[in-house]
Amino acid sequence: NFVLTQPHSVSESPGKTVTISCTRSSGSIASNYVQWYQQRPGSAPTIVIYEDNQRPSGVPDRFSGSIDSSSNSASLTISGLKTEDEADYYCQSYDSSNPVVFGGGTKLTVL
Amino acid sequence: QVQLVQSGTEVKKPGTSVKVSCKASGYTFTRYTMHWVRQAPGQSLEWMGWINGGNGMTRYSQKFQGRVTITRDTSASTVYMDLSRLRSEDTAVYYCARIFLYGGNFYFDYWGQGTRVTVSS
Repeated sequence: NFVLTQPHSVSESPGKTVTISCTRSSGSIASNYVQWYQQRPGSAPTIVIYEDNQRPSGVPDRFSGSIDSSSNSASLTISGLKTEDEADYYCQSYDSSNPVVFGGGTKLTVL
Repeated sequence: QVQLVQSGTEVKKPGTSVKVSCKASGYTFTRYTMHWVRQAPGQSLEWMGWINGGNGMTRYSQKFQGRVTITRDTSASTVYMDLSRLRSEDTAVYYCARIFLYGGNFYFDYWGQGTRVTVSS
């Protein structure tokens, strides 16, 4: 089994850019796509990035995703931060033995 | 529009079972796989298992193997998640989530509103 490790929390000011990392413990990050979900308090998660760097329709282009094989990690970057971006963010991936694996989640505070 | 509507809050005693339902509408039920994901208070998301809406095939997380059963009723477009031998650590919000499968990838594109299950003596 592999683990996806995220920072517990990040904070940044409105208008700035923040990056949330997601590091895979074993196996290559590039072997299986990474998705990112946003979860606001009291609500179900919603998809913001799929297939490492693709945005579903309706997600602002302020959200972007990438992977870095050298650090075996994926990243979610949110630019032009808005107070409405304040939420928990979860990365998710899989492999042949583990159909769905979620990261521990990162609480984004926009202050 | 796609909707997943789950059953209401449950309070259960340790050692008993809970059955949560998820009624789907707005799409062809048998063409999609439904997953169950839970979230304990203040914790991350935890995958439990899935069921193929068409052929009823299931797969469960090793953590829940033997305690969880996922079934479906195609005539009612409803998926059920049954968790037995409940313990306090099973206190969580339980979500059903539909998978959008394409090429070699998938993601959860629609989620139910969540069902809060509290296990307490």
